[in-house]
Amino acid sequence: QSALTQPASVSGSPGQSITISCTGTSSDVGSYNLVSWYQQYPGKAPKLMIYEGSKRPSGVSNRFSGSKSGNTASLTISGLQAEDEADYYCCSYTSSSTWVFGGGTKLTVL
Amino acid sequence: EVQLLESGGGLVQPGGSLRLSCAASGFTFSDYAMSWVRQAPGKGLEWVSAISGRGTTYYADSVKGRLTISRDNPKNTVYLQMNSLRAEDTAVYYCAKHITGTKSFDPWGQGTLVTVSS
Repeated sequence: QSALTQPASVSGSPGQSITISCTGTSSDVGSYNLVSWYQQYPGKAPKLMIYEGSKRPSGVSNRFSGSKSGNTASLTISGLQAEDEADYYCCSYTSSSTWVFGGGTKLTVL
Repeated sequence: EVQLLESGGGLVQPGGSLRLSCAASGFTFSDYAMSWVRQAPGKGLEWVSAISGRGTTYYADSVKGRLTISRDNPKNTVYLQMNSLRAEDTAVYYCAKHITGTKSFDPWGQGTLVTVSS
């Protein structure tokens, strides 16, 4: 199972919006609405930000939103804040009853 | 409050074995699937293995036959038995609780570092 494809890095200024893409195949992202997104700060455990493609867990800011089109899922962060600077990973359930992560995207807030 | 606490990491020689544990609290452990996810130094996340509440197991191809997941529901603990370890198994290993029906992981433990080196 190959890793999902994410851009290595994205950047934006405070207040702006950014979008991180996550491209898979018809065996993972395209098959199910079961993509999740995780935020990770250096040296810390990942934190769930989005599940089932577009749902936010309790406590996650509504500045974070998710969507999907075909084999590509996306995470959008609006009203960018300095605290959003972190690594972001997408993850999809697969048709083999396994999970696959993306390679991760480093978000820099300028 | 849900808490997950991993232990058992350390330095092991190539070909050696190690058993990781993840002690859970704050929820009805037997009702939830659990996963192990690892992260090599400076690299991304890699899903390793999952186990349902009843004990059905799932593995990534990269670890099949070498790593074994298990759980002890009365002890609220999930394990990862790691055999025939290789340098490429060096990573922080996280355990994570599944959110039922969503195929997502929340929360995660703080991780335990496994280093495979001679």
